[in-house]
Amino acid sequence: GAGVSQTPSNKVTEKGKYVELRCDPISGHTALYWYRQSLGQGPEFLIYFQGTGAADDSGLPNDRFFAVRPEGSVSTLKIQRTERGDSAVYLCASSFTGGAGVTEAFFGQGTRLTVV
Amino acid sequence: AQTVTQSQPEMSVQEAETVTLSCTYDTSESDYYLFWYKQPPSRQMILVIRQEAYKQQNATENRFSVNFQKAAKSFSLKISDSQLGDAAMYFCASPFGNEKLTFGTGTRLTIIP
Repeated sequence: GAGVSQTPSNKVTEKGKYVELRCDPISGHTALYWYRQSLGQGPEFLIYFQGTGAADDSGLPNDRFFAVRPEGSVSTLKIQRTERGDSAVYLCASSFTGGAGVTEAFFGQGTRLTVV
Repeated sequence: AQTVTQSQPEMSVQEAETVTLSCTYDTSESDYYLFWYKQPPSRQMILVIRQEAYKQQNATENRFSVNFQKAAKSFSLKISDSQLGDAAMYFCASPFGNEKLTFGTGTRLTIIP
């Protein structure tokens, strides 16, 4: 596709349930990032993939959060036992090679997760 | 710790006028990129302008320009000839030499017709 695609656009789930959020990066982009944006805040880093491997997962808040990118393209962010505090917009971005800003990161439109 | 601070939660400007959004940051890195992103209601972050810290010349992209003061760790965005389509949240950000972007809390820009 032409841009980064995230599905679903919106997700409402009950507290304690499991959710998966999907990100389709721009074709050929090796670097993929997940961010979380709480209401009224800037995005906060969660995890960075270079190819299939998680090169930096220091932003994952706890072990309920996990992300995979098995074939180096599509990534899935998985949240177990959701809590109301997990409610936020989850943004995905990809860039051609990564490189600390050398190549532009393109963002998707995010998934708005609401835990009720 | 590396931080980005945007002290203006909201700004407004008359259509066709000029507005400046402020950003300060803190880092011990000497070489890094700085960005301004625009986030409209669609939620998608759109890169507005990028500055390399080792370049003294301020970046310019059409109606958008920056005032980069490295010693003061200041990176403000100037929007000239403001248009209705410029209305959005604006975020200042930097990866500070690594892969993860650190964002400010944003400034909501309103354009008054």
